[in-house]
Amino acid sequence: AQTVTQSQPEMSVQEAETVTLSCTYDTSESDYYLFWYKQPPSRQMILVIRQEAYKQQNATENRFSVNFQKAAKSFSLKISDSQLGDAAMYFCAYRSLNNDMRFGAGTRLTVKP
Amino acid sequence: EPEVTQTPSHQVTQMGQEVILRCVPISNHLYFYWYRQILGQKVEFLVSFYNNEISEKSEIFDDQFSVERPDGSNFTLKIRSTKLEDSAMYFCASSEVARDFGTDTQYFGPGTRLTVL
Repeated sequence: AQTVTQSQPEMSVQEAETVTLSCTYDTSESDYYLFWYKQPPSRQMILVIRQEAYKQQNATENRFSVNFQKAAKSFSLKISDSQLGDAAMYFCAYRSLNNDMRFGAGTRLTVKP
Repeated sequence: EPEVTQTPSHQVTQMGQEVILRCVPISNHLYFYWYRQILGQKVEFLVSFYNNEISEKSEIFDDQFSVERPDGSNFTLKIRSTKLEDSAMYFCASSEVARDFGTDTQYFGPGTRLTVL
C-alpha cells in the first residue's frame, strides 16, 4: 500500500516570505497523481495544486509551486509571498491510477504578520 | 463553478443510532468517495464508488457502513449503529473519469461533522 509522509507537523513563516512544506511517499507504481490540499479552519478541503507523475515539469499555480523529485519520491510545496490567508493545515496526497487516494498526516502552517 | 455539497453540516446522534450523511457530487462526475477525519488527525479513505457499486474500501469501512446512490444526484453514507469513535468530519468527494490516462482530480465537499454522544 502506498504511504504518504509529512515530516513537519507544524511550520511557521513570516508574511511575504517563502516557505516549503515537505512530503515524501512510497509506491511501486510508475504512474500516479500527487496533490496538495489546504484545509482552513472551516475544515473544507481545497485543492491547491496537482502533479502528474509522468510530467517532468513542476506544477505551478500562482504563488504555489512544487518540487517533484520522482526518483526520490519527494513532492514538496513552496508558497511564495506568504499571506495571512495561507494559514491552514496542508495535506499532501497520493492517488494511484485506480483512484486509491492516501493522505499524509498534514502540516499546520502559521503565517506571522 | 460546480461544487460538491453535503448535508447536514453538523449531525449529533446518540450512540447506537443510525445516521445517513448525504452528498451531491458534481453532476458529470462518475466516481464518488467518502473520507473521514477524526479531530486533529489525518484524512482517511473509507470507500470509493463507481457504476453503482463499491470499487474499493478500506479496513475502516466495516459492516456497519454502507453507501448508496439512491437517485441520479445523491450519494449517501449510512452508519448503522454509531459508536463514540465514529465522531469525525466526513468528507464526500467526486471525480470525473478521464478517458485517456488515469483519473481526474477529486473535489471535496465541505464535510459533515458527526458527533456521537
